Amino acid sequence: DSGVTQTPKHLITATGQRVTLRCSPRSGDLSVYWYQQSLDQGLQFLIQYYNGEERAKGNILERFSAQQFPDLHSELNLSSLELGDSALYFCASSAVIGQGREAFFGQGTRLTVV
Amino acid sequence: AQSVAQPEDQVNVAEGNPLTVKCTYSVSGNPYLFWYVQYPNRGLQFLLKYITGDNLVKGSYGFEAEFNKSQTSFHLKKPSALVSDSALYFCALYNFNKFYFGSGTKLNVKP
Repeated sequence: DSGVTQTPKHLITATGQRVTLRCSPRSGDLSVYWYQQSLDQGLQFLIQYYNGEERAKGNILERFSAQQFPDLHSELNLSSLELGDSALYFCASSAVIGQGREAFFGQGTRLTVV
Repeated sequence: AQSVAQPEDQVNVAEGNPLTVKCTYSVSGNPYLFWYVQYPNRGLQFLLKYITGDNLVKGSYGFEAEFNKSQTSFHLKKPSALVSDSALYFCALYNFNKFYFGSGTKLNVKP
């Protein structure tokens, strides 16, 4: 168990809908990363937060947004969902932003858009 | 620009034999390199990292990795493979507040 908790584990929703994925980082970790894993695109970095502030942004669609709350949990909001958004979404956390710090991954939320 | 390449989609090895999973990288500046393993329907698990110092890094479950600056490589190795090592392995580079992952290598260890 990595200590990173993601809910829900599975989500099935229809096209055009909006969903929220939740991540609780390891106790004490200030940094949260979101990744999307799909079969054809591998692991794609979406966004990173550190202590409530956005610090890095990747290939995140405008339909997607995220935030990190004062208690350090994070939410990834996906709206106007399309079939192609079906993927495994991972959250990871690390203690601080630092070149040598490994990140610990949650078990992911499997999103299926039908 | 920074990038990570895993040239092999799949590696097959017999149980008890040594294994190598290849990774090459491109980055300006000092590389910070990681290996992760993913079992089916699970998240990524950290195996080991190279930050600085000894080029041979030891990690979890008997894995080790060799950093080679001149060849810009960071290959994952294990002296004796187990069937339970069968999984998807990712090499990653950390830069500018994000991890850049390779495309992954599926390791199949056959009894």
